[in-house]
Amino acid sequence: QQQVRQSPQSLTVWEGETAILNCSYENSAFDYFPWYQQFPGEGPALLISILSVSDKKEDGRFTIFFNKREKKLSLHIADSQPGDSATYFCAASAGNAGAKLTFGGGTRLTVRP
Amino acid sequence: EAAVTQSPRNKVAVTGGKVTLSCNQTNNHNNMYWYRQDTGHGLRLIHYSYGAGSTEKGDIPDGYKASRPSQENFSLILELATPSQTSVYFCASGLGGRGDTQYFGPGTRLLVL
Repeated sequence: QQQVRQSPQSLTVWEGETAILNCSYENSAFDYFPWYQQFPGEGPALLISILSVSDKKEDGRFTIFFNKREKKLSLHIADSQPGDSATYFCAASAGNAGAKLTFGGGTRLTVRP
Repeated sequence: EAAVTQSPRNKVAVTGGKVTLSCNQTNNHNNMYWYRQDTGHGLRLIHYSYGAGSTEKGDIPDGYKASRPSQENFSLILELATPSQTSVYFCASGLGGRGDTQYFGPGTRLLVL
């Protein structure tokens, strides 16, 4: 049973558009949600993260929107660039589980020039 | 800059053979993790460690053992490799605690024939 789900599995957008990647979770104890970015042949790297006490987190072109009631969050990538083409993983952890992360299945983003 | 290295980067093993994957980190992080990555499943936690001498079972530990002989090194051991263990394996390190960032190595691609 996958506790963190992502959709869509793959997404293609044109350069300059906003890409929207979705994530949902089941465990109400999850309170920390990082997004990791992975390029082919590399390990994932932290992109942006949010705590459940917030409903929005911005970092440049990347924004997380968080809805605690619906157990959903989304990553918005504004003004998408070809260099943003990568796989994005939503993850979650519960405060009582320390740093142990549960990952979603990932969304492969392609940005066409 | 965080530095996590893995060896070997590629490995071909035979069914029933023993495989050892090695990970080294120079970040002086307490926590280290082993994940496997398969299409559609994201990253799944196999074993993790809170420090030298400690190993903990993750979400999918069956068929795997782990060893943490020092702060810097964390190994994943497949005593009797099976084709179902063909995957890409990632090691990560982190300070630990809520909201911790995990730093990933470049991965090891394992093929079990």
